[in-house]
Amino acid sequence: EIVMTQTPLSLPVTLGQPASISCRSSQSLRHSDGSTYLNWVQQRPGQPPRLLIYKISNRFSGVPDRFSGSGAGTDFTLEISKVEAEDVGVYYCTQAKEFPYTFGQGTKLEIK
Amino acid sequence: EVQLVESGGGLVQPGGSLRLSCSASGFTFSSLWMHWVRQAPGEGLIWISQIAGDESFTKYADSVKGRFTISRDNAKNTLYLQMNSLRADDTAVYYCARGGIGTEIDHWGQGTLVTVSS
Repeated sequence: EIVMTQTPLSLPVTLGQPASISCRSSQSLRHSDGSTYLNWVQQRPGQPPRLLIYKISNRFSGVPDRFSGSGAGTDFTLEISKVEAEDVGVYYCTQAKEFPYTFGQGTKLEIK
Repeated sequence: EVQLVESGGGLVQPGGSLRLSCSASGFTFSSLWMHWVRQAPGEGLIWISQIAGDESFTKYADSVKGRFTISRDNAKNTLYLQMNSLRADDTAVYYCARGGIGTEIDHWGQGTLVTVSS
C-alpha cells in the first residue's frame, strides 16, 4: 500500500501568519489517466473530516481561498496564507490513486 | 444539501457482530461510490471499505477483509457495513463517506461510535 508521510506533526502558528504542511507518498500518485490523486482534509476538534483540496490544488466547494495546494509526483504541500482561529484542527493528506486509500498521520495545527 | 447520517453503533463484546447503516440524502445516491472510514480514539483516519454505485465491485482494507461486508440499498438510499468477529482494535468512530466525481471522498457523515469490549 502507498504510505503517506506528513511533516510536521505539530504546527503552532500565530494568527495571521502563514502555515505550510508537507506530505510525501511512497510512490507516485500520478495515475495513468494523467491525474494525480492527492487530497487534503481538515478535521476540526470534535468534528468529522472535511475535504479541502482535491487532485493536488483544486479547492473544494466552500473552502476559503487562503488554502492552497501544490506539488507533483510524490511531494505535496498544503499552505494557509493567513491562519485564522477556525483553522485549528488536524490536517491529513490522503491518496485516492489506488486501494487501499491511505492517509498521512495528521498534522495538528494550533494557535500560538 | 448532502447529508449522511450513520446509525447502529454501540457496545459489543469481542467476537460479536454489529451492522452500521448510513442514510444518504441530497444527491443521486446510486450514481456514486460510497466508503466507510474509521478513526480509533485519539488516532488518525483509516479507510476500510468502498462500494461502487451499482454494487459492481467492493474493496476492503486487509484489516477487515473476511470479517466486514459493505453493501447498499439504492432504493432506500442507504449504505451498510456488516461487522462480524469484532475485536477490541475495531473500536472506533465509523464514518460513512461519499465518493466524489473523481476518486476523492468529498463528504463525510458525523460518525457512529463502535466500542468492542467485554
